[in-house]
Amino acid sequence: GNSVTQMEGPVTLSEEAFLTINCTYTATGYPSLFWYVQYPGEGLQLLLKATKADDKGSNKGFEATYRKETTSFHLEKGSVQVSDSAVYFCALSERRGGAQKLVFGQGTRLTINP
Amino acid sequence: GAVVSQHPSWVICKSGTSVKIECRSLDFQATTMFWYRQFPKQSLMLMATSNEGSKATYEQGVEKDKFLINHASLTLSTLTVTSAHPEDSSFYICSASGGPSNYGYTFGSGTRLTVV
Repeated sequence: GNSVTQMEGPVTLSEEAFLTINCTYTATGYPSLFWYVQYPGEGLQLLLKATKADDKGSNKGFEATYRKETTSFHLEKGSVQVSDSAVYFCALSERRGGAQKLVFGQGTRLTINP
Repeated sequence: GAVVSQHPSWVICKSGTSVKIECRSLDFQATTMFWYRQFPKQSLMLMATSNEGSKATYEQGVEKDKFLINHASLTLSTLTVTSAHPEDSSFYICSASGGPSNYGYTFGSGTRLTVV
């Protein structure tokens, strides 16, 4: 079945450092790809998405490009802030059983130190 | 924006008892709700998909008699863990589709269940 593999955490960086969180996927067809973020004590929030190959999703300074040739959707940010500390989930959507369902990676905990 | 309220945020129960978790869409009608389970340091695993007014569709390996899901209205779905055991201790998260944002998925804040 479809699956998502994320870079293992935790990841700890200093403020203003460059961030990359790797994400690769295995899927039949061409699923939509997502990054979700979970701040402490809150639900998951959509950070960005891409629906087809070579699409670049971006939001709040984060970017990820849908790379079909490498089946990847790596998350990047040029200069992280303390407020970016959270758990990040890469996900793909698949249509199964008549509904669009999300398949998640294991999550990567990010801590940014001042 | 679309909001999903999940309650309780944490619960401790004794082995053998049942626990009900509620998931409400506050400002939109959720045509489909999803229930996930998350083990420490692991991914969210989809347990079941429910549509309003019909029976839930369970993922392979999920016991439907143990995890009862009811989606009686377009704004409320409940997950009842019946005869809970310590191995049912986990973080349970709901999400709802049908809202105006998030590509159709809005997540609750999760429920930490501890069975003692």
